[in-house]
Amino acid sequence: DGGITQSPKYLFRKEGQNVTLSCEQNLNHDAMYWYRQDPGQGLRLIYYSQIVNDFQKGDIAEGYSVSREKKESFPLTVTSAQKNPTAFYLCASSILLANTDTQYFGPGTRLTVL
Amino acid sequence: AQSVTQLGSHVSVSEGALVLLRCNYSSSVPPYLFWYVQYPNQGLQLLLKYTSAATLVKGINGFEAEFKKSETSFHLTKPSAHMSDAAEYFCAVRNRNSGNTPLVFGKGTRLSVIA
Repeated sequence: DGGITQSPKYLFRKEGQNVTLSCEQNLNHDAMYWYRQDPGQGLRLIYYSQIVNDFQKGDIAEGYSVSREKKESFPLTVTSAQKNPTAFYLCASSILLANTDTQYFGPGTRLTVL
Repeated sequence: AQSVTQLGSHVSVSEGALVLLRCNYSSSVPPYLFWYVQYPNQGLQLLLKYTSAATLVKGINGFEAEFKKSETSFHLTKPSAHMSDAAEYFCAVRNRNSGNTPLVFGKGTRLSVIA
């Protein structure tokens, strides 16, 4: 069954700790994305990657880091430098055949920093 | 930079009434436009997208949207609301001339359906 998996669904961390959110896709998509969602602010792009071992910063990359060592995986690390990390994090992926391509989303991870 | 504006952060309709969710884009060149739906604590699901093949686009769950260049709009409609339509709806845009770049999302509109 093809799709995007994000784990865990809920994550709790103490302030000052780094935490890594997992995103895996078996759709054979080239591109992967991380968005952050806060109430009333829509989705804001953190990082994206269009090819293995390459990625670009989005609008709110400060305090986050990513890696793309495998096509199917794009983990996001929320570092202690992120001032307000509590949010809902969404991973997405897409093929790169045309600029009308759809982005497909995972179920999300809700991170709460205590 | 490319952007979309969704008018109304919260819309409330009665069951069976018309649903109208508004989205306006900002570019002079018509972009590609998308509507997504998000149920509580879930990811986003594509409802429909405009890729310039036809101005009236039909999507899933009885939704449709009409691209109007003169109004720079891509409003989402459904003739008769159902309780299961209660969710948050996002309009998103991609510049036609910028290649396959990430979608830019509006702030969303929460739809409530009253019995």
